[in-house]
Amino acid sequence: GQQVMQIPQYQHVQEGEDFTTYCNSSTTLSNIQWYKQRPGGHPVFLIQLVKSGEVKKQKRLTFQFGEAKKNSSLHITATQTTDVGTYFCAEANAGGTSYGKLTFGQGTILTVHP
Amino acid sequence: DTEVTQTPKHLVMGMTNKKSLKCEQHMGHRAMYWYKQKAKKPPELMFVYSYEKLSINESVPSRFSPECPNSSLLNLHLHALQPEDSALYLCASSQYGSLHEQYFGPGTRLTVT
Repeated sequence: GQQVMQIPQYQHVQEGEDFTTYCNSSTTLSNIQWYKQRPGGHPVFLIQLVKSGEVKKQKRLTFQFGEAKKNSSLHITATQTTDVGTYFCAEANAGGTSYGKLTFGQGTILTVHP
Repeated sequence: DTEVTQTPKHLVMGMTNKKSLKCEQHMGHRAMYWYKQKAKKPPELMFVYSYEKLSINESVPSRFSPECPNSSLLNLHLHALQPEDSALYLCASSQYGSLHEQYFGPGTRLTVT
């Protein structure tokens, strides 16, 4: 089945450093969603990208969807301790259904040292 | 109200017990999901309900039995579980259609002894 590969598995940074996590697929992705899960918490939706080459920003977070729609990235500028958590990318099944079936990447666990 | 609630928060059960997990949302979402999540792993889809009908069962063992009594409620009935079933069980909901974000509940931390 469709697989979404996510790297790195772990990332340790000093507060103030930048952070990037990448998702890659061998086949074209119809869309990509990003979720954040704080330690002890539950996944929280961050953003969805659907267009080739799309770039979206949320304050210090920048999300990109590759031109070929085979990869995506999440970049955080100047990390803060509140950024700690696991970041997941996920592809939702293409249209035609009344629900979304998400294929998750393995996640990147971000640790921020103060 | 953009909240999905789940009860209980924690559950410890023996392998011969029967218990139920409950999930509720009042966002008018017609798709609801059960996921299982092990530590440091992504959520694994178990079941999907669409308009109160079971749409997906990801080959989940029959000791897990889902139920959708109405458009706001989702239950997961547990019976004769194994220790390897210990995990965080997450409920989620979304609007009609595939390209909508999923709203996750806080989860039930299940321990099977």
